[in-house]
Amino acid sequence: KQEVTQIPAALSVPEGENLVLNCSFTDSAIYNLQWFRQDPGKGLTSLLLIQSSQREQTSGRLNASLDKSSGRSTLYIAASQPGDSATYLCARGGNFNKFYFGSGTKLNVKP
Amino acid sequence: NAGVMQNPRHLVRRRGQEARLRCSPMKGHSHVYWYRQLPEEGLKFMVYLQKENIIDESGMPKERFSAEFPKEGPSILRIQQVVRGDSAAYFCASSPVDEQFFGPGTRLTVL
Repeated sequence: KQEVTQIPAALSVPEGENLVLNCSFTDSAIYNLQWFRQDPGKGLTSLLLIQSSQREQTSGRLNASLDKSSGRSTLYIAASQPGDSATYLCARGGNFNKFYFGSGTKLNVKP
Repeated sequence: NAGVMQNPRHLVRRRGQEARLRCSPMKGHSHVYWYRQLPEEGLKFMVYLQKENIIDESGMPKERFSAEFPKEGPSILRIQQVVRGDSAAYFCASSPVDEQFFGPGTRLTVL
C-alpha cells in the first residue's frame, strides 16, 4: 500500500519561529517528492521538488530534505510569518509519476 | 505562460445529471493528471493521460467516470449520473516531465 503520512496534523506557532514539518512514506521506490501549500478553498502551489537522486532543495526560507532509506522527508520553514499559514502537503511520486498525497499539516502562524 | 486552467470553478448538479470538468494544461505540457479531494480528506489520484491516450486509470471509479485528452482542446473529466458522494474538489495537474503544476480546481456540489 502506497501510504504517505504527515505529522503533525496541525501546528500553531508564534511568528518568527523556525519549524519542521514531517512526511513519511512506505515505499522506497520513490520517483520524486514534492511539497505543496494549499490555502483554504484554493488549489495547490508547488513549493519544492526533490528528485530521487537528490537529498535536499532550498528556496528562500524553505528547505526540504529527502532520506529514501528511512522513507522520510522534512520541510523546514525559517522565520515563520503569518502569511505562511496554510495547509502543507507532501506528495510522493510513484509509477508514471502519479502522486500519493499525505493528509497535510495545517499550519497557523500567529502574529 | 498561463498556469493550468480549470473550468468551471464551481459546478452544481442534481443527482442523476452529468458533470463535465475541463482542464487546459500549461503550454508545452503533455502530461495531465486528475485528482479528487473529498471533504476533509487528502488528494487521491484518479487518472493520468497524455494526448489521445489514457496511461493509467487505476484511481478511477469503475463506473460513471471517464476521462479524455484529445489531440486538440482541453482534457475532460466526465461524471455520469452524479450522486451526492461525488461532491468534492477535482484538481487537474500538468507536467512537462517531473514537477506537477496544479490548477485551481473545480468544486462539484451534488444536490
